[in-house]
Amino acid sequence: QSALTQPPSASGSPGQSVTISCTGTSSDVGGYEYVSWYQQHPGKAPKLMIYEVNKRPSGVPGRFSGSKFGNTASLTVSGLQAEDEADYYCSSAAVNKKVVFGGGTKLTVL
Amino acid sequence: QVKLVESGGDLVKPGGSLRLSCAASGFNFGDYHMNWIRQAPGKGLEYISSIAFSATDTYYADSVKGRFAISRDNAKNSLYLHMNSLSVEDTAVYYCTRENYYRSDYWGQGTLVTVSS
Repeated sequence: QSALTQPPSASGSPGQSVTISCTGTSSDVGGYEYVSWYQQHPGKAPKLMIYEVNKRPSGVPGRFSGSKFGNTASLTVSGLQAEDEADYYCSSAAVNKKVVFGGGTKLTVL
Repeated sequence: QVKLVESGGDLVKPGGSLRLSCAASGFNFGDYHMNWIRQAPGKGLEYISSIAFSATDTYYADSVKGRFAISRDNAKNSLYLHMNSLSVEDTAVYYCTRENYYRSDYWGQGTLVTVSS
């Protein structure tokens, strides 16, 4: 069982927006501004999409954004495109555990 | 550009041992903490071990503590994971990652470890 809770699936049509949640506790998501999001296509290594809650690495489209309220972080993908179909994982710094991950969310572009 | 290349994955019997390696290039290896993260087939990501840039501090997840040992050779730009007492639950793709304030900003392509009799 993963430390952070994500919905197993999410979906949206091209051009729409979709938000994926990541719920933890005050010992991880709620206690640190070190929430990250990763995108993983089948058979590929994960790729960092969001770090420190809402910052985008160079080269990540502006369609990807992050936020946090209390113990829940969120990733929003706006203007969905076919290539956004992938698995998404959240992670957070955590007390005594260094870093914890969510179980992952499979995003389907309809 | 930053490159991480893992090697050493193999088929091993339960109770066996294995050493994974990660060759780093394109950045000052000795300036960064490094991690091993694994992914069992069809499952999510699991953060299993990390080592500080100077190797003074290490971290292990409970699932591998006492069985795995992380090390690094900054002169060779290399990261290692020594795995002992392997069980079928250790079957996974093992990724080497560069850590940057609790985020893995670069990942290798992964190396597959299969534990089976």
